[in-house]
Amino acid sequence: ILNVEQSPQSLHVQEGDSTNFTCSFPSSNFYALHWYRWETAKSPEALFVMTLNGDEKKKGRISATLNTKEGYSYLYIKGSQPEDSATYLCASVSGYALNFGKGTSLLVTP
Amino acid sequence: KAGVTQTPRYLIKTRGQQVTLSCSPISGHRSVSWYQQTPGQGLQFLFEYFSETQRNKGNFPGRFSGRQFSNSRSEMNVSTLELGDSALYLCASSFSGSPYEQYFGPGTRLTVT
Repeated sequence: ILNVEQSPQSLHVQEGDSTNFTCSFPSSNFYALHWYRWETAKSPEALFVMTLNGDEKKKGRISATLNTKEGYSYLYIKGSQPEDSATYLCASVSGYALNFGKGTSLLVTP
Repeated sequence: KAGVTQTPRYLIKTRGQQVTLSCSPISGHRSVSWYQQTPGQGLQFLFEYFSETQRNKGNFPGRFSGRQFSNSRSEMNVSTLELGDSALYLCASSFSGSPYEQYFGPGTRLTVT
């Protein structure tokens, strides 16, 4: 994988549903993986920075896992709420640059 | 602590003109990165500065340039504007660059007519 890829491109769930998205990144020369949440009309906000294979991080109802050997990370949201509606971006670190995927757009309806 | 600020927030320019965008990082942050976001392309890395030195540059033409001042404030310049340069330009600051998390500004929306 040469680029960072995210799936699905968009997702529509009902309030209370749990959901997850995938981020695939180049596994060679891995350094770190970032997750951001980008709400409409706001700035991207950092969720997690992950560096170690097997890393699991959690912030409230949101958690993420990392597999550097196979080059993927999962982001989980438990019990989705309407305020979770946003685009979720992952980015792999290359030198001093972040290479972003195109994001997963999540819509949570009441 | 004040967040990352960007000026101006909106800008309309004509093809062929040049433009300068400004970014003030969070106090104490010495790394500033610039990104371009266009529909369907996601965030594309432009360049990163640390202590007035460009450490990394993305795959953009030479019309895109930047600099960083001793107070860590950064400017980005685009010369000879093209219609395709219409985009949201975001800057982000961090303590010393990746792997530290980056704090994004609100962006400058540039429209080239």
